[in-house]
Amino acid sequence: EIVLTQSPGTLSLSPGERATLSCRASQSVSSNYLAWYQQKPGQAPRLLMYGASSRATGIPDRFTGDGSGTDFTLTISRLQPEDFAVYYCQQYGTSPPWTFGQGTKVAVK
Amino acid sequence: QLHLQESGPGLVKPSETLSLTCTVSNGSINSNNYYWGWVRQPPGKGLEWIGSIYYSGNTYYKPSLKSRVTISVDTSKNQFSLKLRSVTAADTAVYYCARNKGSGGRYYFDYWGQGTLVTVSS
Repeated sequence: EIVLTQSPGTLSLSPGERATLSCRASQSVSSNYLAWYQQKPGQAPRLLMYGASSRATGIPDRFTGDGSGTDFTLTISRLQPEDFAVYYCQQYGTSPPWTFGQGTKVAVK
Repeated sequence: QLHLQESGPGLVKPSETLSLTCTVSNGSINSNNYYWGWVRQPPGKGLEWIGSIYYSGNTYYKPSLKSRVTISVDTSKNQFSLKLRSVTAADTAVYYCARNKGSGGRYYFDYWGQGTLVTVSS
């Protein structure tokens, strides 16, 4: 089973700032099969990115995904008020189990 | 827009079986390249994939839960279901159903239900 470790646990930033979230895998994620989700309190997760760098439908271009192998990043170029949330990465590069990271909370500074 | 809705008891006694159903609307469960799965989230914690099913009945399960989980599909009702046996307090969580998109055993989750809290308590 591939273990995903996200860092930092909490990122405290102000609106308009740039956020960089990390997701590190315990072994290489084949073909960059990595997704990112955003979750707000009391809501279901929402798909942001798949294939490491492809934005899901309706996701604004201030969200960028990058990386390969074992190291992946999600960047939010200019934080908007609605971007403060918890973000999870998920790998699907192998047959199951598909696994999630423990999450990074982007909080208002 | 595809819609998924979980339903089932919100309270289950320890050692009993948790049963949930997900009803899919505005789309067919009989679709190629989509699995239909369950993900749970204990209060204040992260996400855990439980298992997924194809409309043909093929399933994937998380190995550590496999002995207690059964996922089934009813294409005539456009529903799929989760049964988790011998529950303990550790199974208390919000349970989400979600559509899995991908191919060849490699799937991410592109549509989610709103989730339902299941508490295990006597």
